[in-house]
Amino acid sequence: EIVLTQSPGTLSLSPGERATLSCRASQSLSSGYFAWYQQKPGQAPRLLIYGASSRAIGIPDRFSGSGSGTDFTLIISRLEPEDFAVYYCQHYGDLLWTFGQGTKVEVK
Amino acid sequence: DVQLVDSGGGLVQPGRSLRLSCTASGFTFGDFPMSWFRQAPGKGLEFVGYIRTKTYTETTEYAASVKGRFTISRDDSKSIAYLQMNSLETEDTAVYFCSRAHRISGDAFDIWGQGTMVTVSS
Repeated sequence: EIVLTQSPGTLSLSPGERATLSCRASQSLSSGYFAWYQQKPGQAPRLLIYGASSRAIGIPDRFSGSGSGTDFTLIISRLEPEDFAVYYCQHYGDLLWTFGQGTKVEVK
Repeated sequence: DVQLVDSGGGLVQPGRSLRLSCTASGFTFGDFPMSWFRQAPGKGLEFVGYIRTKTYTETTEYAASVKGRFTISRDDSKSIAYLQMNSLETEDTAVYFCSRAHRISGDAFDIWGQGTMVTVSS
């Protein structure tokens, strides 16, 4: 079973700063089946990135995804006030969907 | 507007059953695989189950934790997906979200319901 480990657990940054979120897999993954989501308190998740690097419709270009193999990254180039939230990575494989435990991006 | 509305949650005793509904609007429901996820209080997201379209004979996949207890179905004529939950356990307490598979990347999910809370407790 694939395990996704996100780091850091919490990222304390100020608006305007750059956020770098990491997701490491326990074994090599197909990047075609890798996604990132944003979730705010009391809300459903929102798809940001699919296929490791493709932005979903309506997602600002300050969000970018990259990676392959076991290491994947989500970068928010300049944090806006609405970007403070929890971010999850997700992989599909072996007929199952797996999530990382989440990274909370909070206001410093 | 493209929308999913989750309903049917509530308080239920261990061992009992509950059926959740996910009502879609604004898109051709039958063209999309659908999935259910859940989130226990204060925890992360967890896959529950997935149903393919009629083209793929509406086959399903389930997480090991719910296999044999939960069943996903769909009624394309009503644009509704269902999650039948039997033999509920306290560990099933969570907010349940339905979601639509992304048209291009069928393994990501681009539209989500607002979630419905299921509490399993005596």
